[in-house]
Amino acid sequence: DQQVKQNSPSLSVQEGRISILNCDYTNSMFDYFLWYKKYPAEGPTFLISISSIKDKNEDGRFTVFLNKSAKHLSLHIVPSQPGDSAVYFCAASVTGNQFYFGTGTSLTVIP
Amino acid sequence: DTGVSQNPRHKITKRGQNVTFRCDPISEHNRLYWYRQTLGQGPEFLTYFQNEAQLEKSRLLSDRFSAERPKGSFSTLEIQRTEQGDSAMYLCASSLGGQGPYSNQPQHFGDGTRLSIL
Repeated sequence: DQQVKQNSPSLSVQEGRISILNCDYTNSMFDYFLWYKKYPAEGPTFLISISSIKDKNEDGRFTVFLNKSAKHLSLHIVPSQPGDSAVYFCAASVTGNQFYFGTGTSLTVIP
Repeated sequence: DTGVSQNPRHKITKRGQNVTFRCDPISEHNRLYWYRQTLGQGPEFLTYFQNEAQLEKSRLLSDRFSAERPKGSFSTLEIQRTEQGDSAMYLCASSLGGQGPYSNQPQHFGDGTRLSIL
């Protein structure tokens, strides 16, 4: 039972353009959402999070949008840089206890 | 470096053997999580501690798996009588538990222990 889904296994974007990564969830009780970035042979690195009482959170080049009615989360990276090439995971939890992760989207930023 | 530390980084063992992994969380973090990740999948939750208390366990955590966090500091994950299907990356994460609703804090991950069962 996959409660968090990332339906795009991969995405390629030109350097300088916007990268948009999407995530859908099924559990309406989720109240905390996160995005992680993962390089090979390393653990996931926290990028940005959002509480369910907000619909947008911004940190530098990274912005997370939350649409609770659609149960949809997205991560925008502007401008995209080659160093952003990695696998991105979205995650969700109820009160920060058990976290559920999507299957990841591999982003390639083309110089 | 004060990040989450996991040891060993790699473990190769024969089927049927017992293995133990260690996780040292970020020192001020009271929550500690164990996950398993296989190729092409996201991390799957195994169990979670708040201080020394184990508060949640996934159905994935069979009775061959046991986790401890004595004194609320480091944690160990033991797998007894390993099977081929146990081959995976085992990730540990820690966080500072939020106080009250909508005050959650992100998890920070270690680099994992890769287990290979021969």
